[in-house]
Amino acid sequence: KNEVEQSPQNLTAQEGEFITINCSYSVGISALHWLQQHPGGGIVSLFMLSSGKKKHGRLIATINIQEKHSSLHITASHPRDSAVYICAVRRGNKLVFGAGTILRVKS
Amino acid sequence: DVKVTQSSRYLVKRTGEKVFLECVQDMDHENMFWYRQDPGLGLRLIYFSYDVKMKEKGDIPEGYSVSREKKERFSLILESASTNQTSMYLCASSLSGSPLHFGNGTRLTVT
Repeated sequence: KNEVEQSPQNLTAQEGEFITINCSYSVGISALHWLQQHPGGGIVSLFMLSSGKKKHGRLIATINIQEKHSSLHITASHPRDSAVYICAVRRGNKLVFGAGTILRVKS
Repeated sequence: DVKVTQSSRYLVKRTGEKVFLECVQDMDHENMFWYRQDPGLGLRLIYFSYDVKMKEKGDIPEGYSVSREKKERFSLILESASTNQTSMYLCASSLSGSPLHFGNGTRLTVT
């Protein structure tokens, strides 16, 4: 079993839909990161959180430390949100990555 | 804005060649990382460095070495490239406890 599991692996949504991507982890962590990767390779850090909830524009990230679970929500989704979303957990000075969720938002 | 620059976007090399992948960051970050990304496997850490001339093995260091002679530059070296090293290579940098900043990646093909 991978230390970081993401679900779903693939997600297709219609423009305007509310989207949730989940991340579960099995080890103790000091922080959890959500990253976005567009076609072409570049990766952007969306959130780093160790408790509670963070919001940036239409994106919301939550974490439940006791349940070892985090969610990334996208409200009013748009085709430009199409990307790979990656969850990563920090253990010491290293990050352990999930395999990513491929999101496609259709207009 | 932090800029992490990888020297090549695409690279094609022959089996057995020595390959250098260069990464430069402009924000005085002490931590630098090299990852490879393969379909279905996610990002895997090859090597990282938390200071000049310091290096630590990641999860998959075999077949690779690194060099960090200056704080802003972290080089990944494939001593003798093999076809199973065909991959996307991503460099990242950070301050301790802060988010990573990634380069745009180098897609390496070894034939």
